[in-house]
Amino acid sequence: DTEVTQTPKHLVMGMTNKKSLKCEQHMGHRAMYWYKQKAKKPPELMFVYSYEKLSINESVPSRFSPECPNSSLLNLHLHALQPEDSALYLCASSHTSGGAFGEQYFGPGTRLTVT
Amino acid sequence: GQQLNQSPQSMFIQEGEDVSMNCTSSSIFNTWLWYKQEPGEGPVLLIALYKAGELTSNGRLTAQFGITRKDSFLNISASIPSDVGIYFCAGPPWFGNEKLTFGTGTRLTIIP
Repeated sequence: DTEVTQTPKHLVMGMTNKKSLKCEQHMGHRAMYWYKQKAKKPPELMFVYSYEKLSINESVPSRFSPECPNSSLLNLHLHALQPEDSALYLCASSHTSGGAFGEQYFGPGTRLTVT
Repeated sequence: GQQLNQSPQSMFIQEGEDVSMNCTSSSIFNTWLWYKQEPGEGPVLLIALYKAGELTSNGRLTAQFGITRKDSFLNISASIPSDVGIYFCAGPPWFGNEKLTFGTGTRLTIIP
């Protein structure tokens, strides 16, 4: 099973709202990722968690706040977003062992629209 | 930083035709991954390559890890309508790096 699930599928929020995106995997992967993808562009890395610890933050604005409650779950908390933050948000996971990171498996994404 | 250039950017082919696309890098990669993404969905991993010269198949898809380690190729034989989508190559820029560098993508359209 190589499934990563994400909820919700679609989200529309105002600039003053607070919302959260959720991601779950049950493959035993210990590395999890958040990406942002704009139309017709490749995914852009936002955050990496390795063994539930934040290992990479690609200079993402603080209005995006990641959280990794356990090895299977990854959240992205959203607050005071801007219209330009509208995009497809993708979660991915991979195994990690001995300093190596394996293939990344992506979820279906959350289509976020900020009004 | 490293960049992956994919070509062609887009392809318009008829059903049943074979497809070839490639990905080139200015520096050596140790792993090549090929993903397919359909509209509104996340990328799906198609093939992973780990050794220079490696040739790997997945059904009608065949991918090769270039001998120079700076390129990779993906071929699709006898295309069908469900092959439509954007194909991305990707790879970690060095061993042990959790970041993926993505190619610019090849958009495949099948003409009825």
